[in-house]
Amino acid sequence: AQSVAQPEDQVNVAEGNPLTVKCTYSVSGNPYLFWYVQYPNRGLQFLLKYITGDNLVKGSYGFEAEFNKSQTSFHLKKPSALVSDSALYFCAVRGSSNTGKLIFGQGTTLQVKP
Amino acid sequence: DAGVIQSPRHEVTEMGQEVTLRCKPISGHDYLFWYRQTMMRGLELLIYFNNNVPIDDSGMPEDRFSAKMPNASFSTLKIQPSEPRDSAVYFCASSLNVRRQNFGPGTRLLVL
Repeated sequence: AQSVAQPEDQVNVAEGNPLTVKCTYSVSGNPYLFWYVQYPNRGLQFLLKYITGDNLVKGSYGFEAEFNKSQTSFHLKKPSALVSDSALYFCAVRGSSNTGKLIFGQGTTLQVKP
Repeated sequence: DAGVIQSPRHEVTEMGQEVTLRCKPISGHDYLFWYRQTMMRGLELLIYFNNNVPIDDSGMPEDRFSAKMPNASFSTLKIQPSEPRDSAVYFCASSLNVRRQNFGPGTRLLVL
């Protein structure tokens, strides 16, 4: 069965420091991986995706994510955090069975302190 | 592109009443998804459609919930009768093929 785990409910970082939001997945076949961000009282917004190719994927707002097949991970990173990055982040996976369904993690709240 | 449109944005109703949530997907998108988000349960997929046909409704909580997609530009999620535990934010999302999903702003439902 497909699954996604975000082991941290909350991540706290100081502004200007690098940030990492962790995600591991379980899927049969090649994974299609996504990161979404949700700001308060808003819908989810797409940040980036990995389908194939380079393991390091760059996305919106300076975020990037690294696909690691051996560790089945897809951690979200940013070199220098901004207070405005504070939000709820979701990792999602779709198996290669060509279903449109995404499996979302439970979400990680990122808190960036000035 | 107006994005995914949902209405109403907020709904307050009394227990036992019928609630209808509406969604207009992005033009040309062939997948449509309904999600529910609560603090306790997080983000849950309720049902999704492909080319207006329901593909997977295993997330629909019970028979009180129903969803339709009469055409490619409109979908409804109906709760009848509504209960306080249905209070949540309901999101609609659409996608082209199996690419990234585009989410609407959500409908915040409060059942008293």
